[in-house]
Formats: sequence, structure tokens, C-alpha cells
Amino acid sequence: DTGVSQNPRHKITKRGQNVTFRCDPISEHNRLYWYRQTLGQGPEFLTYFQNEAQLEKSRLLSDRFSAERPKGSFSTLEIQRTEQGDSAMYLCASSFGNQPQHFGDGTRLSIL
Amino acid sequence: EDKVVQSPLSLVVHEGDTVTLNCSYEVTNFRSLLWYKQEKKAPTFLFMLTSSGIEKKSGRLSSILDKKELSSILNITATQTGDSAIYLCVVGRDDKIIFGKGTRLHILP
Repeated sequence: DTGVSQNPRHKITKRGQNVTFRCDPISEHNRLYWYRQTLGQGPEFLTYFQNEAQLEKSRLLSDRFSAERPKGSFSTLEIQRTEQGDSAMYLCASSFGNQPQHFGDGTRLSIL
Repeated sequence: EDKVVQSPLSLVVHEGDTVTLNCSYEVTNFRSLLWYKQEKKAPTFLFMLTSSGIEKKSGRLSSILDKKELSSILNITATQTGDSAIYLCVVGRDDKIIFGKGTRLHILP
């Protein structure tokens, strides 16, 4: 499978816990994006990397959220001290330059 | 503030009907407009439009961009139950894309 891969597919955790998601982009893609999607809404942009550099962060990305792409390949998104409002689908996408983005199947986060 | 507005938000039609989905945008440094289809999981790419007035077609789906009106339409003819999905309009500017809220299309058999 050469598409965008996200793990885990589903994460259930108690409020206050930390969670980390992983995204493996398509190998030749230099850009990687994180989005959050809640029920009935379109995806909302969180942050984006070009190679290993994080070039933009949405104001939605509070200080409890951090994303890394240490070697310009896979990326991780960590949420610290999770809150009920963090429950959502977290989508990762990758692209080569300005070409259309390809999306992973997402990680669904449920906060108890 | 950049925005992408889709209409209608929800649409229910019978199999075989033709539907037109609308997207309007106000985005600085517009680069492209894309349509995605989202069923249960990841959005899948349908079309990328950069030039005004040139229709892109794939099977029963077609789309066109009007840069003067800052809008695009997505047409689906002879709809099938498998067309039921959320259709997302996305506008690309510089290094990021802005999503509309989507149109939820439901096709009744």
C-alpha cells in the first residue's frame, strides 16, 4: 500500500491523558498536513510541514498540541492533557508541492 | 478572512437524478480549486481546476470554475446510490488549502 498511512485508526482515552498519532506520507511527497474534522464539518487545517520544517500553524493548534516531522518523512501529532473538545477525526495528508493532497484514513480520537 | 462556502449543505435526490453542487470562495492569492469526495474515511480527489471556463469531466461527474464569479459547480448526472457522500470544495492558496463545510448528498434508491 503506497498511500498515506495513519496510526492508530481509533484512540479512546480518558480526559487529561496524552495521546500521539503517527502519519506516514507517500514517500516522494515533500509536504505533510494535519487536519481535524468534527461530525458534519469539513476538515480544518491544523499545521503543515515542508520536508522537516513546520511552516504554518493554525490558531486552532493550542499549546497542548505539538507536531513534528523530524526527518522529513513520517510525522507525529501529540495532544497533551486531552479535553472533551479534542474528540474528532484527525486527518493527515501529503502532497508533492502544490499538487493535490492525498489523505490518510484518519485517526478517530474519543475522549471519555 | 479566507472562506469557502458550499451550497446546499445537504441534498437528497432519487437515483437517476442530476445534481449540481455549488462552491463560492473569497481567498487571497488563489491558486486552484479542488473537489473531493468523502465517504466514510479519507477524502478522495476528484478534480483540480485552475483555469476559468474549462470543464473537467470524469464519467458522470464534471466540474467548471468561474474565476470572475469566484465560484465552481460540480455536476453529477444519472446519480447512483454509490454517489452518496460528502462533497468537499477546497481552495488552494500559496502553501495551504481551505475547505468548505461540504455538501452531504444522499441518493435514494
